[in-house]
Amino acid sequence: DVKVTQSSRYLVKRTGEKVFLECVQDMDHENMFWYRQDPGLGLRLIYFSYDVKMKEKGDIPEGYSVSREKKERFSLILESASTNQTSMYLCASSLWGTGASYEQYFGPGTRLTVT
Amino acid sequence: DAKTTQPPSMDCAEGRAANLPCNHSTISGNEYVYWYRQIHSQGPQYIIHGLKNNETNEMASLIITEDRKSSTLILPHATLRDTAVYYCIVRVGGDSSYKLIFGSGTRLLVRP
Repeated sequence: DVKVTQSSRYLVKRTGEKVFLECVQDMDHENMFWYRQDPGLGLRLIYFSYDVKMKEKGDIPEGYSVSREKKERFSLILESASTNQTSMYLCASSLWGTGASYEQYFGPGTRLTVT
Repeated sequence: DAKTTQPPSMDCAEGRAANLPCNHSTISGNEYVYWYRQIHSQGPQYIIHGLKNNETNEMASLIITEDRKSSTLILPHATLRDTAVYYCIVRVGGDSSYKLIFGSGTRLLVRP
């Protein structure tokens, strides 16, 4: 079974703090993704990575950065947390390849509250 | 990516088939139809995908119309654990197939 794990299920941080969200996958997937999910807005892509040390901005990268030093690990960083970053954060991974389209496997999510 | 339209909510009785419709009238030839579901407080879970032909796996069947403008996800014998939000997504295949655009989905309630 594909397993995507996230470091915390629930996290409470203060405004201005630097926040690290960690994601690890065990299926040797090339692609990894960070989304946030908010009521009424669905899932929105923040960043994704298709290889170690490679990253691409998604739809809402402002206020976030990412790090991928190892293939299995993809970190999301909130440089200075703000209350509007209170959300559910979801990590996903998938194979990469041409032709066919590969499904994404999601972790359980981290519910971050910034006070 | 083509947009999809789904009913906001549906219900069905436990043990009966759940048929979830999706319209994707602007789908283009190389776009796949994907279905995911999200059970409360969990990450989305992949169910099935298809391009032109109908598909079946251990979880569900996917029926795509001949003109590909709509599809139906069928859960043949719904259980209470199938209560979830179901998302229909169309996505381009190939190298750029990184993006999933989740809409509002259909909230399926399976009644005992």
